[in-house]
Amino acid sequence: DAGVTQSPTHLIKTRGQHVTLRCSPISGHKSVSWYQQVLGQGPQFIFQYYEKEERGRGNFPDRFSARQFPNYSSELNVNALLLGDSALYLCASSLSTDYQPQHFGDGTRLSIL
Amino acid sequence: RKEVEQDPGPFNVPEGATVAFNCTYSNSASQSFFWYRQDCRKEPKLLMSVYSSGNEDGRFTAQLNRASQYISLLIRDSKLSDSATYLCVAISGGYNKLIFGAGTRLAVHP
Repeated sequence: DAGVTQSPTHLIKTRGQHVTLRCSPISGHKSVSWYQQVLGQGPQFIFQYYEKEERGRGNFPDRFSARQFPNYSSELNVNALLLGDSALYLCASSLSTDYQPQHFGDGTRLSIL
Repeated sequence: RKEVEQDPGPFNVPEGATVAFNCTYSNSASQSFFWYRQDCRKEPKLLMSVYSSGNEDGRFTAQLNRASQYISLLIRDSKLSDSATYLCVAISGGYNKLIFGAGTRLAVHP
């Protein structure tokens, strides 16, 4: 069975541009969460979606947005990119939202020039 | 103060050594706890859940002390392949939001 899949693997953008990252959860998982990991730090929570509804939002600016589709896949959008947005963006899925461990995709490594 | 705190290390140990990592959390309402392992430039992978009664998985033992808000991971008979960053994780907030520590680096040498 396929695990969590993310695309693209790597991405290079310049300041001011926007980016869309994609995630497909493990089959049967209805919850998708997004995390940002900068070098030397643990992942930081950005969003959680369950059944196409936003269930939680971390301390990130409004430039960050996300959505979940009927097939439970998800997109993370970041507008007006800043140098500080350079990071590994991780998508994780779980069956539901009840204090369960989450399973991560390989991540998208975003570099802002 | 960070919600989950870990000693960043690195811990440099020889093969066969026993090594222990500690982690503290500040939110007493935290419900569930995990240890994840992350290899360099890879995604975090679930190592084990952590229960108050303590739990063991082969060479790995995890323990939770709710009174002290303290979590530990013990690795016995270290292998070269155990070299990685170990992330302490708490869940709180009424939904499945993982709160990560910054990670503890382990380097096992021959």
